[in-house]
Amino acid sequence: NAGVTQTPKFQVLKTGQSMTLQCAQDMNHEYMSWYRQDPGMGLRLIHYSVGAGITDQGEVPNGYNVSRSTTEDFPLRLLSAAPSQTSVYFCASSPLSESYEQYFGPGTRLTVT
Amino acid sequence: QQQVKQSPQSLIVQKGGISIINCAYENTAFDYFPWYQQFPGKGPALLIAIRPDVSEKKEGRFTISFNKSAKQFSLHIMDSQPGDSATYFCAASIRSTGGGNKLTFGTGTQLKVEL
Repeated sequence: NAGVTQTPKFQVLKTGQSMTLQCAQDMNHEYMSWYRQDPGMGLRLIHYSVGAGITDQGEVPNGYNVSRSTTEDFPLRLLSAAPSQTSVYFCASSPLSESYEQYFGPGTRLTVT
Repeated sequence: QQQVKQSPQSLIVQKGGISIINCAYENTAFDYFPWYQQFPGKGPALLIAIRPDVSEKKEGRFTISFNKSAKQFSLHIMDSQPGDSATYFCAASIRSTGGGNKLTFGTGTQLKVEL
């Protein structure tokens, strides 16, 4: 049981490049979400999904796209990377039930130059 | 607009002392208040959580105190140990459309417990 996995662990991009951050969970959780963590700002919600085919925007969605074709996977796409997207990105999952615990992955550290 | 305000930004406590981290929220629709612990290079992990109809919850050395009227809650770490050195985030949860719980995080407190 791997929990929530994220790849890659580190990534450097040039401004304007695109890439996809991968997130997968093996706990059959319906709810999945992406956060970015910046110094002094805590974690901010980018996008979330309550099940396959259903996604919605969080607090800071601009510049990011998501899709959810399976229960297990929730990739985050940067269409045209900007230096302001330099951050550590965390994926999390939880059941849709009253359980409030969200399980976080180990994170992806992204640098945009 | 920071919906959950956390203080202090950093905290140094002697081994065996009490660590106290405070948070305040604005949105009365929040219905659950978890604390997450994060070690360097790792993702956050749930430490302890409380519902707003309870004024205090204790799990081992960790206690949440909750003041609904003041819209404030705090984490107390008793007998702080060097292994408690980490970043602590308070959060507030609200049900999202279709289920699941959207978390709004505070800005974090870096705790260092010295020998």
